Amino acid sequence: EPEVTQTPSHQVTQMGQEVILRCVPISNHLYFYWYRQILGQKVEFLVSFYNNEISEKSEIFDDQFSVERPDGSNFTLKIRSTKLEDSAMYFCASSEAWTGNQPQHFGDGTRLSIL
Amino acid sequence: SQQGEEDPQALSIQEGENATMNCSYKTSINNLQWYRQNSGRGLVHLILIRSNEREKHSGRLRVTLDTSKKSSSLLITASRAADTASYFCATWGNQFYFGTGTSLTVIP
Repeated sequence: EPEVTQTPSHQVTQMGQEVILRCVPISNHLYFYWYRQILGQKVEFLVSFYNNEISEKSEIFDDQFSVERPDGSNFTLKIRSTKLEDSAMYFCASSEAWTGNQPQHFGDGTRLSIL
Repeated sequence: SQQGEEDPQALSIQEGENATMNCSYKTSINNLQWYRQNSGRGLVHLILIRSNEREKHSGRLRVTLDTSKKSSSLLITASRAADTASYFCATWGNQFYFGTGTSLTVIP
């Protein structure tokens, strides 16, 4: 069964540094998402992406965050200047159609640790 | 926030017993989805129930939806140790909202 893959599985970065998290969504999916989960807390929506542009974003997704689909397969999340509070699990997901009607498929996440 | 709470927050049962988890939400929805998360892993979609459906089954899973009460329940029958995980409901408003989750432990 096709999977969403995320790399790296664990990223350790110094505060203030830029970090790029990578995801390969399922190939025929059209909608892409990023979520974060701070340890012990619930999963929080960051952004959805469709047709090469952001379709929705949450209040968490401020100017420090950006997303990109640089080629036909990868979907990236960039945090420009990391803060301690950015430490979390980051999950990428994709869906065949708008998730209002279709389930999302999640990767296993990248654990981001900011020192 | 769009999403309410799931209850209970934690549930521990013996293998073979049934597990029921409840979810509440706050605004009108098109559908409600349930996901499972094993420790350290991503979320896995279990079932989607549309707002015009009242009950849906998938294998050992049974989901109900009461839009008048803005609530849903997930029943896992004949539980197995492998069902040990956190279970979340999720709804779409202008973003996808997950609940706080129920941590289920099934004791062999």
